[in-house]
Amino acid sequence: QSALTQPASVSGSPGQSITIPCTGTSSDVGGYDYVSWYQQHPGKAPKLLISDVSNRPSGVSNRFSGSKSGNTASLTISGLQAEDEADYYCSSYASSGTYVFGAGTKVTVL
Amino acid sequence: QVTLSESGPALVKPTQTLTLTCTFSGFSLNTSGVCVTWIRQPPGKALEWLALIDWDDDKFYSTSLKTRLTISKDTSKNQVVLTMTNMDPVDTATYYCARIPYMSTTAFDIWGQGTMVTVSS
Repeated sequence: QSALTQPASVSGSPGQSITIPCTGTSSDVGGYDYVSWYQQHPGKAPKLLISDVSNRPSGVSNRFSGSKSGNTASLTISGLQAEDEADYYCSSYASSGTYVFGAGTKVTVL
Repeated sequence: QVTLSESGPALVKPTQTLTLTCTFSGFSLNTSGVCVTWIRQPPGKALEWLALIDWDDDKFYSTSLKTRLTISKDTSKNQVVLTMTNMDPVDTATYYCARIPYMSTTAFDIWGQGTMVTVSS
């Protein structure tokens, strides 16, 4: 169970769109439509943003969207806002009831 | 309202066994598809998945930690317990429990606030 690969940091100006990739293998990201994304502000518990590749739970802004192609899933934040500055983690089901997280991406709003 | 709350010792000594309790409300671990999982996060580092127990009492563990972990549930008390043996300073982390709400998803939709555990002599 190696951690999924995410860039350490991504930045953008207010109003811009940014995309965070999450790369795994055919045993996790590529093998299942079970990728989730979480937002974590400093000192807080993670919050679910996207489930099952592209489903947005009730209450989550439609500025957040998810997709997947092959072994890479992506989170896109459109209309970047100051409050989006946080750490973002992807997670994938990885067979036999196990899960794996990404290394995390720090989003900075310039 | 669904809530989860972690509890346990803030400080443990190396080689000791850690016991953490997740107490939840607003849902039942007897409901088909519902699962509770444990996840940890060392200071300044990434999330790491540890273990999961489902409504049917099936248990799943991180491959790298499975020899040290035991997860169990007490549905009458709405609690899930995680034990981790042979604690080491590298196990210093905030430990979270979270819920998977139904069968057709694997997303952790509600998280506890986390409990910080320091391993030090």
